Amino acid sequence: RKEVEQDPGPFNVPEGATVAFNCTYSNSASQSFFWYRQDCRKEPKLLMSVYSSGNEDGRFTAQLNRASQYISLLIRDSKLSDSATYLCVVIYNTDKLIFGTGTRLQVFP
Amino acid sequence: ETGVTQTPRHLVMGMTNKKSLKCEQHLGHNAMYWYKQSAKKPLELMFVYSLEERVENNSVPSRFSPECPNSSHLFLHLHTLQPEDSALYLCASSQEGTGDPYGYTFGSGTRLTVV
Repeated sequence: RKEVEQDPGPFNVPEGATVAFNCTYSNSASQSFFWYRQDCRKEPKLLMSVYSSGNEDGRFTAQLNRASQYISLLIRDSKLSDSATYLCVVIYNTDKLIFGTGTRLQVFP
Repeated sequence: ETGVTQTPRHLVMGMTNKKSLKCEQHLGHNAMYWYKQSAKKPLELMFVYSLEERVENNSVPSRFSPECPNSSHLFLHLHTLQPEDSALYLCASSQEGTGDPYGYTFGSGTRLTVV
């Protein structure tokens, strides 16, 4: 079983739509959780942290379910500029980031 | 310059060539990393250097040889590569011990093609 699993997509959605991605992780000792964004042929960039209580940053909402070992990312009112690959990242040993394969999002006009 | 700089941005090499990838960080970090990103695969951590000492080597073939001469520079020496080694190679740096990805900075990567 992969350490971090994501649906690769692509998710094709129209502008203005709401889209959600899930990610599951296998190691129950995982400590911290994050979503990264990676544009085509560029390096990954940190998008937001994920907390048990859930957190929101503008149109983006991230949630963590430790019991079921999954995290989610919800994007509301999708913009064309949201088109990218979204990487789920888990840390269970200080400084060691474990990446998922990423979920590709394509927003169309 | 600021951040993490990688050179070259693109590299095409034959299977018998020897080349090196370079990474430089200007953030005062004490840990540096090499990652490999192949198509449809997650980023794979290859090597970790902490305070210029290699602390992790994730079963990487010996045709990849890292070097960390000081805390600001990291190299990846390549020789007799295979076509399946074609990938995006990303360097990153962090201040070790913080467990803080907000301080974990990636370079733009070197896109390597082995022909």
